[in-house]
Amino acid sequence: GAVVSQHPSWVICKSGTSVKIECRSLDFQATTMFWYRQFPKQSLMLMATSNEGSKATYEQGVEKDKFLINHASLTLSTLTVTSAHPEDSSFYICSAKREGNTGELFFGEGSRLTVL
Amino acid sequence: LAKTTQPISMDSYEGQEVNITCSHNNIATNDYITWYQQFPSQGPRFIIQGYKTKVTNEVASLFIPADRKSSTLSLPRVSLSDTAVYYCLVGDRGGSYIPTFGRGTSLIVHP
Repeated sequence: GAVVSQHPSWVICKSGTSVKIECRSLDFQATTMFWYRQFPKQSLMLMATSNEGSKATYEQGVEKDKFLINHASLTLSTLTVTSAHPEDSSFYICSAKREGNTGELFFGEGSRLTVL
Repeated sequence: LAKTTQPISMDSYEGQEVNITCSHNNIATNDYITWYQQFPSQGPRFIIQGYKTKVTNEVASLFIPADRKSSTLSLPRVSLSDTAVYYCLVGDRGGSYIPTFGRGTSLIVHP
């Protein structure tokens, strides 16, 4: 099956610093990727839709200046949490939709962010 | 977007068949039903997808009645490793599809 890889799988940072999370589709091209955030015992919350070569579309309530998304190529999308604070600590998951497929989503392994 | 409703949790025992039902009363004509499984601290993974009637693969079956307002994921002879959260998503397969997750069903399989 198709593989989506996220890096890093976990990261600890100090409050006020920025953290970048990468999402790569390893064996297929993805014009569209999705970024989710998941708090403990809760469902995945869609943050934004990342479109290759254009600006991301953010869900209501998600600060676009805080969560910077860049989808510069057909195999890479990045999420940068700027000026991170403890409340940004969460599990971030990306997914990619392969062109022409059945609509099946391929998910990364997730990235655990802890802000001290 | 079709909203989905699932039981919050279910318990079962090893070797039993587990059926998880998802309600999606306002499913649209072009919508498909897709189920995902998520283990703690991992991204979800695809289980099965269907449009109508019955779909079966090596891990599960998906039953969809004629009105398509609900669907049932059937896991045959579950094992401890099937303990996970199961999500059903409903949407078309086109480029405009924005996959949003409901609360999911937390399945716990007991020895």
